[in-house]
Amino acid sequence: GDSVTQMEGPVTLSEEAFLTINCTYTATGYPSLFWYVQYPGEGLQLLLKATKADDKGSNKGFEATYRKETTSFHLEKGSVQVSDSAVYFCALSDQNSGNTPLVFGKGTRLSVIA
Amino acid sequence: GAVVSQHPSRVICKSGTSVKIECRSLDFQATTMFWYRQFPKQSLMLMATSNEGSKATYEQGVEKDKFLINHASLTLSTLTVTSAHPEDSSFYICSARDQGGGGNYNEQFFGPGTRLTVL
Repeated sequence: GDSVTQMEGPVTLSEEAFLTINCTYTATGYPSLFWYVQYPGEGLQLLLKATKADDKGSNKGFEATYRKETTSFHLEKGSVQVSDSAVYFCALSDQNSGNTPLVFGKGTRLSVIA
Repeated sequence: GAVVSQHPSRVICKSGTSVKIECRSLDFQATTMFWYRQFPKQSLMLMATSNEGSKATYEQGVEKDKFLINHASLTLSTLTVTSAHPEDSSFYICSARDQGGGGNYNEQFFGPGTRLTVL
């Protein structure tokens, strides 16, 4: 079945450092890809998404490009802030099946220190 | 934008009691909602898929008689934890899939979560 693998954390960076969180997927069809962020004690918020190959999702300085050839959707940010400290989840959705849930990676905890 | 609410946000109950958690899609219709459970510092574990007007589909290992799900309308699903025990303490998150005709079609939106503590 479909699956998502993302780099395990925790990741600790200094403020203004460059961030990359790797995410690769396995899917039989043509999934949509997502990054969700979870701040401490809160639910998940959609950070960005891409629905087809070569699409780039971006939001709040974060970017990720849907790479079909490498089945990847790596999350990047050029300069992280303390407020970016959170858990980041990569996920995919089978576009052709309305009743299937998102498939999540295990999450990567990011801590940004001043 | 699409908003999903959960109520209550926090609940503390005694062992043996039942707790109901509501999940509502506020500005879109959701024939399908999902219930997840999250343990501290772990990923989300899908518990069940809630379908409006029909029985929920439970994931393997999830007791349907303990976690009762009712999806009575296109905007409301409820999860009832029956005869709760301390091991049921967790963070429960619902999500709803927007299946209307707008730009968010088939996207999932998450509620803010409910933290359940069973004493």
